[in-house]
Amino acid sequence: EDQVTQSPEALRLQEGESSSLNCSYTVSGLRGLFWYRQDPGKGPEFLFTLYSAGEEKEKERLKATLTKKESFLHITAPKPEDSATYLCASLIQGAQKLVFGQGTRLTINP
Amino acid sequence: DGGITQSPKYLFRKEGQNVTLSCEQNLNHDAMYWYRQDPGQGLRLIYYSQIVNDFQKGDIAEGYSVSREKKESFPLTVTSAQKNPTAFYLCASSIDGEGKHFGAGTRLSVL
Repeated sequence: EDQVTQSPEALRLQEGESSSLNCSYTVSGLRGLFWYRQDPGKGPEFLFTLYSAGEEKEKERLKATLTKKESFLHITAPKPEDSATYLCASLIQGAQKLVFGQGTRLTINP
Repeated sequence: DGGITQSPKYLFRKEGQNVTLSCEQNLNHDAMYWYRQDPGQGLRLIYYSQIVNDFQKGDIAEGYSVSREKKESFPLTVTSAQKNPTAFYLCASSIDGEGKHFGAGTRLSVL
């Protein structure tokens, strides 16, 4: 069964304290790995798509990386406005649907 | 600006009542999707449509129905058969399954 698992469920950091969020996937054939940011009561906002192991993408304080079994979202020197739930999802070969993880709720304290 | 519009933002359902959630997009995307989000859980796919007048069941389609009469519109009806409808409902669209765009969501509660 195609499955995506995110860890930790929740993470609390001090402003400026760098860390990483993990997304492990077991899928029959990965076509793409997506990262989203979701603020409370709002729809997910697309951040990155990664397609192959070794690929990296960056946006401001965020960097996403991909291996054959997992993806990491690295956050460098975070600010309070980076507080949100971060979702990852896999797009399966031959399918048109995303399989989502349960999300990591990130809180950055000033 | 192009985007996805969901309405209403909040919706209340009485027992035995059917309710319809609206989703409209002006991105000219062929594919549209409905997801359900419960607290502490990932998004689960309800229905999706890759082309007008065609749609497929997702993982949790029971108690829901959809139509796709226009490329821009993909309404979701939560029927009385859905016994646990309280959730946050998200509509999305995409080109070829890539970079899905999401609407702002509709929060459905039961009275």
